[in-house]
Amino acid sequence: GNSVTQMEGPVTLSEEAFLTINCTYTATGYPSLFWYVQYPGEGLQLLLKATKADDKGSNKGFEATYRKETTSFHLEKGSVQVSDSAVYFCALSDTSGTYKYIFGTGTRLKVLA
Amino acid sequence: DGGITQSPKYLFRKEGQNVTLSCEQNLNHDAMYWYRQDPGQGLRLIYYSQIVNDFQKGDIAEGYSVSREKKESFPLTVTSAQKNPTAFYLCASTSGGARTDTQYFGPGTRLTVL
Repeated sequence: GNSVTQMEGPVTLSEEAFLTINCTYTATGYPSLFWYVQYPGEGLQLLLKATKADDKGSNKGFEATYRKETTSFHLEKGSVQVSDSAVYFCALSDTSGTYKYIFGTGTRLKVLA
Repeated sequence: DGGITQSPKYLFRKEGQNVTLSCEQNLNHDAMYWYRQDPGQGLRLIYYSQIVNDFQKGDIAEGYSVSREKKESFPLTVTSAQKNPTAFYLCASTSGGARTDTQYFGPGTRLTVL
């Protein structure tokens, strides 16, 4: 079945450092790929998405490229801020004809001033 | 503003009691979902509904029940059969049908069993 694997956290960075959070997936067909962000005590918010191979999603300085050859969708940001501290989830849309979405386990990011 | 509301934000339950979590959306979305989130873990699907009067079990449906009588509402009942119900519960919706659809999430309900 379809699955998502993301790097374990926590990831701790200093302000203005470069961020990479790895995400790889297993899927048949052509899923859409998503990154969501969750701040403490809140629901998830869409950060960015890509719907086909080689698409790049971007938002608020974050980027991720849909790489079918490496089955990856790594999240990057050139210069993180303290306000980026949150949990980040990689997800994909199921390709087996259901309306389901599969989420990774989440990666906690801590940015220190 | 369109969105998803969940109530209450915090809920306390005694062992052996059923409790119902509310989820309402005004996005005119067809599909709705319930997830459970435990500390340090990802989201696990409890139930989902693609259309009114229809719903399917997710990966961890045992001890839970749902109804979908109206398009905008998808309440979740945590029954006494759920052995470890303390968790953060998230409701979500999508416009439905397309693999490119974004899921929109509510703010969550934290359930604690005393």
